[in-house]
This record gives sequence, C-alpha cells and structure tokens, in this order.
Amino acid sequence: DAKTTQPPSMDCAEGRAANLPCNHSTISGNEYVYWYRQIHSQGPQYIIHGLKNNETNEMASLIITEDRKSSTLILPHATLRDTAVYYCIVSASGGSNYKLTFGKGTLLTVNP
Amino acid sequence: GAVVSQHPSRVICKSGTSVKIECRSLDFQATTMFWYRQFPKKSLMLMATSNEGSKATYEQGVEKDKFLINHASLTLSTLTVTSAHPEDSSFYICSASPGQSYEQYFGPGTRLTVT
Repeated sequence: DAKTTQPPSMDCAEGRAANLPCNHSTISGNEYVYWYRQIHSQGPQYIIHGLKNNETNEMASLIITEDRKSSTLILPHATLRDTAVYYCIVSASGGSNYKLTFGKGTLLTVNP
Repeated sequence: GAVVSQHPSRVICKSGTSVKIECRSLDFQATTMFWYRQFPKKSLMLMATSNEGSKATYEQGVEKDKFLINHASLTLSTLTVTSAHPEDSSFYICSASPGQSYEQYFGPGTRLTVT
C-alpha cells in the first residue's frame, strides 16, 4: 500500500506557483521522497527526489520538512502543460532494486 | 538522455492469443526493468521486477505463467501476455533504472485491448 497521503485534486492559475503537498508520516530513515507526474495516457515522468535536504532542478523544487513527515512539490510558474496527476512516493534507496508504489496522486489542473 | 521506448504503443488482439510487448532503454543500460499495469482511472500497479539475466520477481497476485517476462539484455525486456482475455485489457507501462541512480525512467505505455 502507498505510504503517502495527497489531496485528490488541486487547481492553479497559469503562471502562478503550484504547491502540491504530501504527507508521509511513517517514512523510514533510509527512504527517499520521489515525485513523478503522469499526463493523460502517457507513462509517468520523473520530476525530483530528495532525502532530507531541499532540492531544486529545472522542473521543480522539493521542500521536505525537518521531521521528514511531509513535503511540498513546487512548480514555480505553472503552465497548461503541467496539468497532470502528480504522485508523491516514498521508497528506500538501493540503486536499481527499489520499488515505487503509486498511490492515487493529485490531479493538478492548470487553468488559463 | 534516459529514454525508454515501448513497442507497440497500441495493440488489439483476440481472446486466447498471446501478445508480446517490448521495452527498450535507448541511451543507457538497464540492470533492472519494471512492468506496471494501469486500469482506467486507476493508479499504476507494479506487476514484476525484471533483472537482466535472471528470473523476474512477480508481485503478489500476478500470475507468472500468464505474464511472461524476459530480460535477455541490458537494454531490452519483454512482457508476453499469454492466452489473453478481455479482463487483461489495460495500459501496460515499463520503466528502467540505470542501476547507479535512484530514478526510474518510464516508457510511453502500451494500450492492450483484448476482444
């Protein structure tokens, strides 16, 4: 079973920041927080991951609370193409042998 | 970089026949590949983990004799749905991991329709 809790849906205005929350209160010390997104009828796309420090890349920023029980994915300037289901997943590290358990995710709708 | 392809993207087959789906890592070697299934309006469900040169590890409830997985090289894994039934109709997605990083890279998916 998925070990994360996300709101089922969110709306965001185009050009504004989209902040997607995720609760993972039972996360273990060796588990990373991953974010993927899935645009309708496509395979999931990797966004970002982190352990305990905040992370930023060209797509998004990931803010992890100090107790690691929750995190927020930030899309700084949402566009219509960012409309997708966003999945927050916790998984142990370990190179190629980890598993990703997908929950229901958050459907983010970016409105013009 | 890190591109994963799947073939075919869409397939329709008759009940009782077998269908093979290919998953390829185009620009990296994948020591591990994963196969997922996604029903309409549902999330992805992991079916099996495939390691190059060894037998796949199937998730609970997935029939290994029905869903045959072969990972014969570091860039190719195949999923064969044997004796397909209409309830096998689904979106099948593979992913691959380079092994030295923590991300999985997903293919575009294969939509299987069994009539």
